[in-house]
Amino acid sequence: QQPVQSPQAVILREGEDAVINCSSSKALYSVHWYRQKHGEAPVFLMILLKGGEQKGHEKISASFNEKKQQSSLYLTASQLSYSGTYFCGTPRGGTSYGKLTFGQGTILTVHP
Amino acid sequence: EAGVVQSPRYKIIEKKQPVAFWCNPISGHNTLYWYRQNLGQGPELLIRYENEEAVDDSQLPKDRFSAERLKGVDSTLKIQPAELGDSAVYLCASSLRDRVNEQFFGPGTRLTVL
Repeated sequence: QQPVQSPQAVILREGEDAVINCSSSKALYSVHWYRQKHGEAPVFLMILLKGGEQKGHEKISASFNEKKQQSSLYLTASQLSYSGTYFCGTPRGGTSYGKLTFGQGTILTVHP
Repeated sequence: EAGVVQSPRYKIIEKKQPVAFWCNPISGHNTLYWYRQNLGQGPELLIRYENEEAVDDSQLPKDRFSAERLKGVDSTLKIQPAELGDSAVYLCASSLRDRVNEQFFGPGTRLTVL
């Protein structure tokens, strides 16, 4: 079942912060975050494997709340290069294996 | 290091015609994935290979779609015959066997069926 992302779109000015949420109706064993710029391939950002785990990539960090079956991606002091569509992916079959089901995406636009 | 290579980048065909997409994964990556991405949606897994074996093709519409990875390296995805609803971007991704969770995507093939 496809995870649900919110919001669908975010518009920011450089330096502002944003949060993107990803939730699932099924138990989550891991959450994977990817960013896709317009016309380009998705690029891996990070994976969270344990409940409560937090990770960071540049000024982008994420948390994983296993109990709430959700993950949040935090973009701090956003840069123009952060613009793109962010996808969360969750494994099918109750494992942390590679069969990912992706959410519908959150479009992030950062203006100067 | 070269990334995942796909060709062609764009393809326009008329419905009922056949079409094929080619993917060359990152050297040494045992696992290869084909995804379909519709406009405004996330990628949807079609098939996953471990070396030359298709280990997950449950989402592949087998009446018209086929895929192969004969020598466990390059892969081809075919649609025959194509339908209007097949218009999408077809993405190929690869990963190392022991790091299946980090997938590297190719640029994709944008298919338009008229």
